[in-house]
Amino acid sequence: GAVVSQHPSRVICKSGTSVKIECRSLDFQATTMFWYRQFPKQSLMLMATSNEGSKATYEQGVEKDKFLINHASLTLSTLTVTSAHPEDSSFYICSAGGGPRVAYGYTFGSGTRLTVV
Amino acid sequence: ELKVEQNPLFLSMQEGKNYTIYCNYSTTSDRLYWYRQDPGKSLESLFVLLSNGAVKQEGRLMASLDTKARLSTLHITAAVHDLSATYFCAVDSSGGGADGLTFGKGTHLIIQP
Repeated sequence: GAVVSQHPSRVICKSGTSVKIECRSLDFQATTMFWYRQFPKQSLMLMATSNEGSKATYEQGVEKDKFLINHASLTLSTLTVTSAHPEDSSFYICSAGGGPRVAYGYTFGSGTRLTVV
Repeated sequence: ELKVEQNPLFLSMQEGKNYTIYCNYSTTSDRLYWYRQDPGKSLESLFVLLSNGAVKQEGRLMASLDTKARLSTLHITAAVHDLSATYFCAVDSSGGGADGLTFGKGTHLIIQP
């Protein structure tokens, strides 16, 4: 089955610094990856769609200059939270799949717990 | 705007009982997914439903999809404590895997001995 690896699993950073989160598809090529954010006791909200070789598409209300997404290869997408603030503290989860792999659904990474202090 | 509504949002039940979680969605879609999330963890895929009338079963869980009613159900049979978790349904609005998923708010399920 599809495997999506996400790192780091947990990060604590100081306010004003930047944090990079990596998402890799290990056994398939993902032209499209998705980034979600989940606040405590809430559901997942799609932040952006990452497309290999092109600019990411951001959902309404998500600041593209704050959440930088790079999808330079078919197996790697990165999310950089720039100038992080305490309100950015959340659980960030990437996923890949769908499209030609629709029968398998979407596979999610293990998530990154970001705490900004 | 696609909306996905789950109910109930919270469910406490005893072991051995049966119950159903409902998922309604607002757009025409024939792709619906069910996930399980344990505290502090990511999502685990339970079911992928890709057509009207689809029914899938795994152990004590069974999911179905009625695209005409825009309704999916997740039925729990003879619940056991290990099934305690939060369950999410999600809809692929584009139908082609290009737009990501819209999630319901989740059903927090507690199964008591």
